[in-house]
Amino acid sequence: RKEVEQDPGPFNVPEGATVAFNCTYSNSASQSFFWYRQDCRKEPKLLMSVYSSGNEDGRFTAQLNRASQYISLLIRDSKLSDSATYLCAVNSDNAGNMLTFGGGTRLMVKP
Amino acid sequence: SAVISQKPSRDICQRGTSLTIQCQVDSQVTMMFWYRQQPGQSLTLIATANQGSEATYESGFVIDKFPISRPNLTFSTLTVSNMSPEDSSIYLCSVTGVGLDTQYFGPGTRLTVL
Repeated sequence: RKEVEQDPGPFNVPEGATVAFNCTYSNSASQSFFWYRQDCRKEPKLLMSVYSSGNEDGRFTAQLNRASQYISLLIRDSKLSDSATYLCAVNSDNAGNMLTFGGGTRLMVKP
Repeated sequence: SAVISQKPSRDICQRGTSLTIQCQVDSQVTMMFWYRQQPGQSLTLIATANQGSEATYESGFVIDKFPISRPNLTFSTLTVSNMSPEDSSIYLCSVTGVGLDTQYFGPGTRLTVL
């Protein structure tokens, strides 16, 4: 089993739709979780951190489910510009410096 | 966040040659990492660049093939040695440290080996 797993997609959704991605992790001791966004031919950029209590940033909501060992990302009112690959990342060391990345989920928002 | 630059941004190289990629950060950082991302794939960690000591390599990566330097807290280099077409990939550096909540990535170096 991979340490961090994501459905590769692609998720094809119309503009305005709500879409959710999950990411499962195997290390129950993991403490830090993140969602990155990667546009085609660009570097990954931090989208948001995932806190135990969940967090929301505009149209984006991230949740953590420790019992089932997964994190989720919900995007409401999808825009064309949301089309990208979304990578989840989980810390893999006690100091929290090392990250293990999932394979990414590709989202395509269509007019 | 941190401002990170990489040089070159892209290169096309002949097999058997070597290429050195530079990563420069605008502030001192604790950790610097080198990743590889092959087309359509996710990120694979090559090594952690340690300041003042040898890099820590992940399974499947060796110093002879990917020598790394980190002479100070703002700069690191990765060399891809004796290149083959299988080394064609995007190479990314990332950093983290005090004041940074997670890893931040440089813009990447797109390498094509003919």
